[in-house]
Amino acid sequence: GNSVTQMEGPVTLSEEAFLTINCTYTATGYPSLFWYVQYPGEGLQLLLKATKADDKGSNKGFEATYRKETTSFHLEKGSVQVSDSAVYFCALRTEGNTPLVFGKGTRLSVIA
Amino acid sequence: GAGVSQSPRYKVAKRGQDVALRCDPISGHVSLFWYQQALGQGPEFLTYFQNEAQLDKSGLPSDRFFAERPEGSVSTLKIQRTQQEDSAVYLCASSLVTSGSPYEQYFGPGTRLTVT
Repeated sequence: GNSVTQMEGPVTLSEEAFLTINCTYTATGYPSLFWYVQYPGEGLQLLLKATKADDKGSNKGFEATYRKETTSFHLEKGSVQVSDSAVYFCALRTEGNTPLVFGKGTRLSVIA
Repeated sequence: GAGVSQSPRYKVAKRGQDVALRCDPISGHVSLFWYQQALGQGPEFLTYFQNEAQLDKSGLPSDRFFAERPEGSVSTLKIQRTQQEDSAVYLCASSLVTSGSPYEQYFGPGTRLTVT
């Protein structure tokens, strides 16, 4: 079946540090890949997405590249801010309007 | 415009009580999904509607869980005879279904259910 594995947290970084959150997936077919973010007290928000191999999704300084050969979609940001503190979820969806399959989430805390 | 809304935001139920959780999707969104998010876990799929038709309910954990969307808009997730293991955040998401759409799902804030 389809599944997503992401690095366990919590991750604590100082402001302006480099961030990587690893995500790998197993899927039948050709999935679309997503990163969602959940800020404290708020709902899930789509951060970025990629729909085919070698696509790079980017938003708010975050980036992730769809790597089919390594079945990975690692999230990176060059310089994190305190406001980036949240829980980040990697997810996939197979073709069509199908349910999302999520990883367990990684909590990021950025300290000033 | 208005996003997905859910009510109540918080619900405390005694074990054995029935609860009903409401989701108002974005106007015009055809598809509606329910997910369950246990503490410290990612959301897990429960059920999916396209208009009023329930196309997939494979994620419902037991026959105590029932969902409906009678007019193809508002949806209600009902849990009968709640158990402690039902304690979780219940998320609703809606999406458009159009040719070539990436089918982005927009999430509501969730209902946190605590069964005591």
